[in-house]
Amino acid sequence: GQNIDQPTEMTATEGAIVQINCTYQTSGFNGLFWYQQHAGEAPTFLSYNVLDGLEEKGRFSSFLSRSKGYSYLLLKELQMKDSASYLCAVREEDDKIIFGKGTRLHILP
Amino acid sequence: GAGVSQSPRYKVAKRGQDVALRCDPISGHVSLFWYQQALGQGPEFLTYFQNEAQLDKSGLPSDRFFAERPEGSVSTLKIQRTQQEDSAVYLCASSPTLGNYNSPLHFGNGTRLTVT
Repeated sequence: GQNIDQPTEMTATEGAIVQINCTYQTSGFNGLFWYQQHAGEAPTFLSYNVLDGLEEKGRFSSFLSRSKGYSYLLLKELQMKDSASYLCAVREEDDKIIFGKGTRLHILP
Repeated sequence: GAGVSQSPRYKVAKRGQDVALRCDPISGHVSLFWYQQALGQGPEFLTYFQNEAQLDKSGLPSDRFFAERPEGSVSTLKIQRTQQEDSAVYLCASSPTLGNYNSPLHFGNGTRLTVT
């Protein structure tokens, strides 16, 4: 069956680094997305991985291991505005995109 | 440029009422997805279309839920005889061409449905 797991909540300090993990078991795999969602707003796209390895984009990086069914999102130099939910999503082989329950990240000053 | 537009932004319905939620995707986008998001949860897949074809409706919670996209552009999600458990934010998202797997979903702001 389909399953995407990520921690429910995490807390980190402004200026620090945080890693949000995601594991998945899905029907086929055509890539993994990370989205950011502020409370009351629509999700916005952060990153896409389809090959193993690390993709870096400014303060945010995303890693994928297909053999392990594992990804993480790494956020560096945390800012207060990074307080949000982070959603892991997988595109399955039939193009359907399914989401995990999201990780709420709290940033402390 | 214009993004994904959903209407209404908020909808309050009495239990048993029918509702229709509209989604205008980004022009030219082939794929269109509907998700249901409860408070504090991730988006739950409902159904998706490629052009006018509904390819998967396995996430629709019951036969009270119906979605259509007759001309491959605007889509409507209809909920008949609403129940309190239908209260949620309904998100629509679109994506450009087929087979372009790194194309992300572009989300609308959602319709917040409250059933009283």
